[in-house]
Amino acid sequence: KAGVTQTPRYLIKTRGQQVTLSCSPISGHRSVSWYQQTPGQGLQFLFEYFSETQRNKGNFPGRFSGRQFSNSRSEMNVSTLELGDSALYLCASSLGTGEDNQPQHFGDGTRLSIL
Amino acid sequence: GNSVTQMEGPVTLSEEAFLTINCTYTATGYPSLFWYVQYPGEGLQLLLKATKADDKGSNKGFEATYRKETTSFHLEKGSVQVSDSAVYFCALRSHTGGFKTIFGAGTRLFVKA
Repeated sequence: KAGVTQTPRYLIKTRGQQVTLSCSPISGHRSVSWYQQTPGQGLQFLFEYFSETQRNKGNFPGRFSGRQFSNSRSEMNVSTLELGDSALYLCASSLGTGEDNQPQHFGDGTRLSIL
Repeated sequence: GNSVTQMEGPVTLSEEAFLTINCTYTATGYPSLFWYVQYPGEGLQLLLKATKADDKGSNKGFEATYRKETTSFHLEKGSVQVSDSAVYFCALRSHTGGFKTIFGAGTRLFVKA
């Protein structure tokens, strides 16, 4: 069974640009969550999508947005990039129902570097 | 709100030593608890889980018991190997938290040969 796939693995951008990251969940998983991981702040929750609807949102500015498609694949977009956006962005998927017992399964992440 | 606190690292051990990484949580209701491991350059992998009080999760020689009375979920392994060197994250998930997974800060483990 294929795991969570994130593309690209590495990305270099400059300040002011925008970027789109992609995540393909495990087959059958309908929930996709995004996290930002940095050495200083650790793992911070960005948002979660379930059946094409944003179900939860973390405390990030509006420059961070996402969407989910009917096949459960998800994209995350960051506009007007800032140096502080340099991080590892992790995507995680889960079934989306019976959530109390369901762990999330993570991809290997996209490492975004802002110059 | 829900939160997870785990011991600060790094933890440095010799091969075959006993490992304990402490984790305590604050949550309303009855959360599920997880330990994840992250190897260099990779995402998080689920190591083990426990979904109710007194459950013991175990995998690859690691164990953790869900202690509701002490709100703890400490990770233990009887004999660590060099290949166990990684960052370990304690986490919880609860419907009262909107099903968001809340992670601890992570504990880096170094195992010396």
